[in-house]
Amino acid sequence: QKEVEQNSGPLSVPEGAIASLNCTYSDRGSQSFFWYRQYSGKSPELIMSIYSNGDKEDGRFTAQLNKASQYVSLLIRDSQPSDSATYLCAGSDRGSTLGRLYFGRGTQLTVWP
Amino acid sequence: DAGVIQSPRHEVTEMGQEVTLRCKLISGHNSLFWYRQTMMRGLELLIYFNNNVPIDDSGMPEDRFSAKMPNASFSTLKIQPSEPRDSAVYFCASSLTNTEAFFGQGTRLTVV
Repeated sequence: QKEVEQNSGPLSVPEGAIASLNCTYSDRGSQSFFWYRQYSGKSPELIMSIYSNGDKEDGRFTAQLNKASQYVSLLIRDSQPSDSATYLCAGSDRGSTLGRLYFGRGTQLTVWP
Repeated sequence: DAGVIQSPRHEVTEMGQEVTLRCKLISGHNSLFWYRQTMMRGLELLIYFNNNVPIDDSGMPEDRFSAKMPNASFSTLKIQPSEPRDSAVYFCASSLTNTEAFFGQGTRLTVV
């Protein structure tokens, strides 16, 4: 059974701070990882994807992947109140043609002004 | 592109009734996921199709649930008979194999 575990939170940071979200995964065969943001009452929205070891930066967001440690993280710099949402980590064995996408339980982030 | 389209957005039904949820994929996508989200269990994968073929249905709770892809752009998830414990938000998501998945707006199902 493929699993993704996220730090349960909730996480609360002041505006302008760095928010750090983490997850670990159980299946070494997983090839691709994704971070989704979900506002209350809305559907998950893709914000980052990462496929290889190291860091990937997109604006205020940086995703980090360490396949040896089976660890994925998301850093949000200069956090804004509009970043307050639940962040979902997802993994996929898309190195094959199967492509099953499985999610962690999510970490609720609150950014206070 | 209109994105992934789900219908209905809200459904309230009585226990024992049949419920059908619908999903239209993004044009050109060939992978389709059905998820169920609850506070208790988070986002659970129910079934995954690739090129209209069900690849993994291990998440389907029981025989009351069934899913089909009658064509490359459309899918249905049926619950018959429905039970109160089926109350949840059901999402479908589509992707092109080996790329990111995009979610529909979801269907909020309440079984009373």
